[in-house]
Amino acid sequence: EVQLVETGGGLVQPGGSLRLSCAVSGFTFSTYEMNWVRQAPGKGLEWVSYISSTSNTIYYADSVRGRFIISRDNAKNSMFLQLNSLRAEDTAVYYCARVRASVPGDYWGQGTLVTVSS
Amino acid sequence: DTQMTQSPSTLSASVGDRVTITCRASQSISIGLAWYQQKPGKAPKFLIYKASSLESGVPSRFSGSGSGTEFTLTITSLQPDDFATYYCQQYNSFPWTFGQGTKVEIK
Repeated sequence: EVQLVETGGGLVQPGGSLRLSCAVSGFTFSTYEMNWVRQAPGKGLEWVSYISSTSNTIYYADSVRGRFIISRDNAKNSMFLQLNSLRAEDTAVYYCARVRASVPGDYWGQGTLVTVSS
Repeated sequence: DTQMTQSPSTLSASVGDRVTITCRASQSISIGLAWYQQKPGKAPKFLIYKASSLESGVPSRFSGSGSGTEFTLTITSLQPDDFATYYCQQYNSFPWTFGQGTKVEIK
């Protein structure tokens, strides 16, 4: 069974940092691209970042470029999102999702909530 | 960046109705479009890819069509489990972008 589990969310002050993790099981992680998507409270979905299977190719949304860093550890079946210089508008549930044959999200985690507030 | 616009934003329908949601792209995305269903407090569920390919396990009452800039998601004979919010997403080019969502509510 394919499973994706996000952890690392929480309450952080503006300007602070947080590291999200996405642990996967049930498939050969090293052969799949992955991405992060977020959803602010009561709002729609926003794509955040993409990473190729070998980490050679990475993309970011304009809203997070220069502040967030995506990475992965294929040996540990895990993907990460380092969130720096956090702003109130980064408050959201962050989902990790698997990319299958360039299609963005056939499997999703349950999400982890990041709240940026003083 | 490619902007995705869904219409309507909200749709009121009854069980058994045929429902159509439209998604328009600001530039051609070929068939690089996916549809998702999301219920409150849950992660999105993958429904359709390549504009019209139904994901395994998704009921056949769901169908997608279109190419280029105009796409539709159709639900024939709406079921109680289908009341949810639906999103389109283009993945033809980065940054990938979502439509703003269409909430299908009970009439």
